Amino acid sequence: AQKVTQAQTEISVVEKEDVTLDCVYETRDTTYYLFWYKQPPSGELVFLIRRNSFDEQNEISGRYSWNFQKSTSSFNFTITASQVVDSAVYFCALSGTYYNAGNMLTFGGGTRLMVKP
Amino acid sequence: DTGVSQDPRHKITKRGQNVTFRCDPISEHNRLYWYRQTLGQGPEFLTYFQNEAQLEKSRLLSDRFSAERPKGSFSTLEIQRTEQGDSAMYLCASSLGQGARGANVLTFGAGSRLTVL
Repeated sequence: AQKVTQAQTEISVVEKEDVTLDCVYETRDTTYYLFWYKQPPSGELVFLIRRNSFDEQNEISGRYSWNFQKSTSSFNFTITASQVVDSAVYFCALSGTYYNAGNMLTFGGGTRLMVKP
Repeated sequence: DTGVSQDPRHKITKRGQNVTFRCDPISEHNRLYWYRQTLGQGPEFLTYFQNEAQLEKSRLLSDRFSAERPKGSFSTLEIQRTEQGDSAMYLCASSLGQGARGANVLTFGAGSRLTVL
């Protein structure tokens, strides 16, 4: 069975602070994918990143960066110099391969990030 | 293409009534997924289709729930004899099929919020 844990249910920061959202996962698959999605107040889940389990390189995209560590089964997400527009619920998710449960995503419980001006 | 569309966005119904939600996926996506999200939780997988074939159903999908995708394009999710516990956001997502780059990246719609009184 797959499981994703986001221990931080809510984080509040002041604008321009850096913030890291934690994600820990469990899976028996040797090949899997990890994702982060953003859910703003409007409700629509927005795809941020997908990471293959064979690729442990960290990734940076503008103010966003992701740290994938297979040894600790973690896929953490850092926002640098946070902005009010970053306020949203962020979900970490895990899926198997196409042939393994059809890319069904297992989501964590989400972390609500509030960025105050 | 304007993304994944869901209708209605909001539905209020009385316990015992039937409701139906519609999802129009991105046109070139042949996979379609239904998820349910309750307040403060991450989305939970309900079912998915590859073209018109329903390939997997979650244990969450009781006998009162039925999903169809008759022509491999739009999909409907019907809930019969609604109960208060069915109150949730019902999310639809679509993705490319096997072998396509980004095949397991799900694009979500804005959701259909159901309130059962």
